[in-house]
Amino acid sequence: SQKIEQNSEALNIQEGKTATLTCNYTNYSPAYLQWYRQDPGRGPVFLLLIRENEKEKRKERLKVTFDTTLKQSLFHITASQPADSATYLCALSGSARQLTFGSGTQLTVLP
Amino acid sequence: SQTIHQWPATLVQPVGSPLSLECTVEGTSNPNLYWYRQAAGRGLQLLFYSVGIGQISSEVPQNLSASRPQDRQFILSSKKLLLSDSGFYLCAWKSGGGAYTEAFFGQGTRLTVV
Repeated sequence: SQKIEQNSEALNIQEGKTATLTCNYTNYSPAYLQWYRQDPGRGPVFLLLIRENEKEKRKERLKVTFDTTLKQSLFHITASQPADSATYLCALSGSARQLTFGSGTQLTVLP
Repeated sequence: SQTIHQWPATLVQPVGSPLSLECTVEGTSNPNLYWYRQAAGRGLQLLFYSVGIGQISSEVPQNLSASRPQDRQFILSSKKLLLSDSGFYLCAWKSGGGAYTEAFFGQGTRLTVV
């Protein structure tokens, strides 16, 4: 069956360091992959989208990589700040109408 | 600009009571609409999605149902709630057609079945 795994439920890092979150998938051929941020009690907010033919995407302090051979995406936040503390979700789409989410990684940036 | 409204924000319902959650989208037409449920500390489970009026696809068999009576209105219902229906319910929309785009979420409804 199709499976999306985000490698750790919780990640604590020191302010100023780079946070790296992992999303692995199996039995899936996604056309594109997305990352979202979710704050407690709120709906997820879109951050970045990367297509299957793209290796890397950047937006300000955020970087996403997509390796369809390894079936893995890495999400990096450089120069992390306490305000970056949130749960980060990856989501995969095999078609334009489909969007399946992983369970998320809770990131805490310590001052 | 596009906006999505979801209500109520919180709801406490007894077991066996009916449920109706409503979601409306403004500023776009023919969106794809989605209902997700999120258990505490867990990811989003897709319940239903719709690509047009009256067109509903169910991802998980359960005692919930969805309807899309208008292009930008999506309703989640139940005739009799179970304790296991408790959770955080999220409505979302994406551009319709073949576009690969992001999803926009409502603020969610925290449902507690007691």
